[in-house]
Amino acid sequence: DTGVSQDPRHKITKRGQNVTFRCDPISEHNRLYWYRQTLGQGPEFLTYFQNEAQLEKSRLLSDRFSAERPKGSFSTLEIQRTEQGDSAMYLCASSSGYSGSYEQYFGPGTRLTVT
Amino acid sequence: KNQVEQSPQSLIILEGKNCTLQCNYTVSPFSNLRWYKQDTGRGPVSLTIMTFSENTKSNGRYTATLDADTKQSSLHITASQLSDSASYICVVRLNAGKSTFGDGTTLTVKP
Repeated sequence: DTGVSQDPRHKITKRGQNVTFRCDPISEHNRLYWYRQTLGQGPEFLTYFQNEAQLEKSRLLSDRFSAERPKGSFSTLEIQRTEQGDSAMYLCASSSGYSGSYEQYFGPGTRLTVT
Repeated sequence: KNQVEQSPQSLIILEGKNCTLQCNYTVSPFSNLRWYKQDTGRGPVSLTIMTFSENTKSNGRYTATLDADTKQSSLHITASQLSDSASYICVVRLNAGKSTFGDGTTLTVKP
């Protein structure tokens, strides 16, 4: 396991469609984070899991967004009824709560374009 | 107003030159501060991480400094290379666990 992986890397969808992204964290990491990043901005926190428990959700995460981490390993982020404003890079990161520094390791991101 | 502010927003330098990027933060209580490098279309990659008790941390040609009293950090890049062209993001982690990201400085190194 060489790092955090995300799939797909790019997604183009039409407004109103549902999309689902997957994140596979570093295998021994118990914490997993989702962020959204638009051009020229830093990543914005969306949600965070410790093992399978979703511990925090940002107000940015509207009812159309849902994230899961069913077995405490990989996670999915689903966006329902996509809107053009959802176009962004969706980043996943993982960290080890046991290391003390909680340093987050990021995946390559999924670029979503809503047309 | 962002609680982590970075300056300048963008910077262009010639290959081989040095540069310094700034990060000022207001969030507290502070746990650690990290600098990330993000290439276009890629996820951020960690460069340095400093706790409140550390004043400086180096990683090759990258040197980060931290003044916890004035809540300022800087990232100094020595002898810049074309591959240094990227966005550099400052991230402050609070004791409660939340991380606040700056909007980054976009560095362009020209030959």
